[in-house]
Amino acid sequence: SQKIEQNSEALNIQEGKTATLTCNYTNYSPAYLQWYRQDPGRGPVFLLLIRENEKEKRKERLKVTFDTTLKQSLFHITASQPADSATYLCALAAGNQFYFGTGTSLTVIP
Amino acid sequence: DVKVTQSSRYLVKRTGEKVFLECVQDMDHENMFWYRQDPGLGLRLIYFSYDVKMKEKGDIPEGYSVSREKKERFSLILESASTNQTSMYLCASSTGYSNQPQHFGDGTRLSIL
Repeated sequence: SQKIEQNSEALNIQEGKTATLTCNYTNYSPAYLQWYRQDPGRGPVFLLLIRENEKEKRKERLKVTFDTTLKQSLFHITASQPADSATYLCALAAGNQFYFGTGTSLTVIP
Repeated sequence: DVKVTQSSRYLVKRTGEKVFLECVQDMDHENMFWYRQDPGLGLRLIYFSYDVKMKEKGDIPEGYSVSREKKERFSLILESASTNQTSMYLCASSTGYSNQPQHFGDGTRLSIL
C-alpha cells in the first residue's frame, strides 16, 4: 500500500526563519498532493493542493513544491510566527484511497 | 464555510458494546470519510462513501461498519468495541472526486474500557 513519510516528528525554529517540512511517498505516482494544518484537539484544515504538473504553488507565506521524480513534496513557511505552531500533514490519493502522513509538529519559538 | 459536526467530543464505552459515532455535514458534499488518528500512525482511513447507501473499505475496516442513509449523515459503527479501538475518530467530507480538499470535524475521542 501507499507509504507516506514526513521528515521528522518535531521541528523547532526561531521566529522569522523559514520552516521547511518534507513529505516523501512510495509505491504510487499521485496526480496531486495536499497539505493540511492540525491544531491540538481539532481536525485537520486544508491549506494547499499541488498538482503533478505544477512544480511550485504559493499562498501568502506558504510555498509547496512537488518533485515527482524524487517522489517528494516540500512545504515552506516563510517569516514564521508563533501562530504557525501546529502539526502539518501531507496527504495524497492513490486509486480510490486517501493516505495521510503522520505529520510534523512545528514549534516557532519567539 | 463547510461545517462537519461530530456528535460527541468524548465518549467512554465498555468492551463488547456496540458504539455509534455520528457525523453530519451541511454543504451537500458527495463524499464522506471516517478516519482514526493514533500517535505515530497518523490518520488512517477506515471507510468512505461516495454516495448515499454506498460504502468503500479504507485501509483498516476490520471491526467497523458504516451507514449512509442520507447524504448529509455518515455513521461509524463499532460492532463489538475492543480496547484496541480506543482512538481519536475524525469524520471528513468533500465534494467531487478525490482531488478535492477534505473538511474535517473536530473529532471524537473514544475510550474503550
